[in-house]
Amino acid sequence: DAGVIQSPRHEVTEMGQEVTLRCKPISGHNSLFWYRQTMMRGLELLIYFNNNVPIDDSGMPEDRFSAKMPNASFSTLKIQPSEPRDSAVYFCASSYNTRDGYFGPGTRLTVL
Amino acid sequence: DQQVKQNSPSLSVQEGRISILNCDYTNSMFDYFLWYKKYPAEGPTFLISISSIKDKNEDGRFTVFLNKSAKHLSLHIVPSQPGDSAVYFCAASVSTNFGNEKLTFGTGTRLTIIP
Repeated sequence: DAGVIQSPRHEVTEMGQEVTLRCKPISGHNSLFWYRQTMMRGLELLIYFNNNVPIDDSGMPEDRFSAKMPNASFSTLKIQPSEPRDSAVYFCASSYNTRDGYFGPGTRLTVL
Repeated sequence: DQQVKQNSPSLSVQEGRISILNCDYTNSMFDYFLWYKKYPAEGPTFLISISSIKDKNEDGRFTVFLNKSAKHLSLHIVPSQPGDSAVYFCAASVSTNFGNEKLTFGTGTRLTIIP
């Protein structure tokens, strides 16, 4: 199994632009999590899905952030418009009925 | 409000010695705790966990201790090896009937093993 796949690995964009991060979970997993890592706050859960349904989006910072999971093998995290304070590493993780999820390699986002 | 705290951003330990990483939490509802290890440019990987019904869980060189009254847990690595150099994240969750409860992470501790 290839593990959790995230794309792109690096994204540099200018303030105000739309950014879309993509995630392919491990096949057969029924939960998908989006996290953001910053030096100040560590790993923060943004949103998680169970069986493609958003269960908890209380960690989504503001309306500029949105996430979708149209099917069991794909999810997107969109930021529109992006701001410099959104610069961070964004991780996607998936699991099957356990809490010890498998993380992808992350997307390093830089907003100038 | 940081519910899971790792107050030491970094730690250096001599190879062969014991590494002790600490974690404190404030939410008394947390009943399951995990440690993750993260290498640069990679995602975190699960290391070891402990349920609140236990006070110790051991897996090879790694042992996690839980002190519920102090709301404190620690990860012991004995003996420490150069490959253990990484960032370690503590995480906690509240059990539900779901099975896939969300995790609350700390800010991480960077462990450096000195050869």
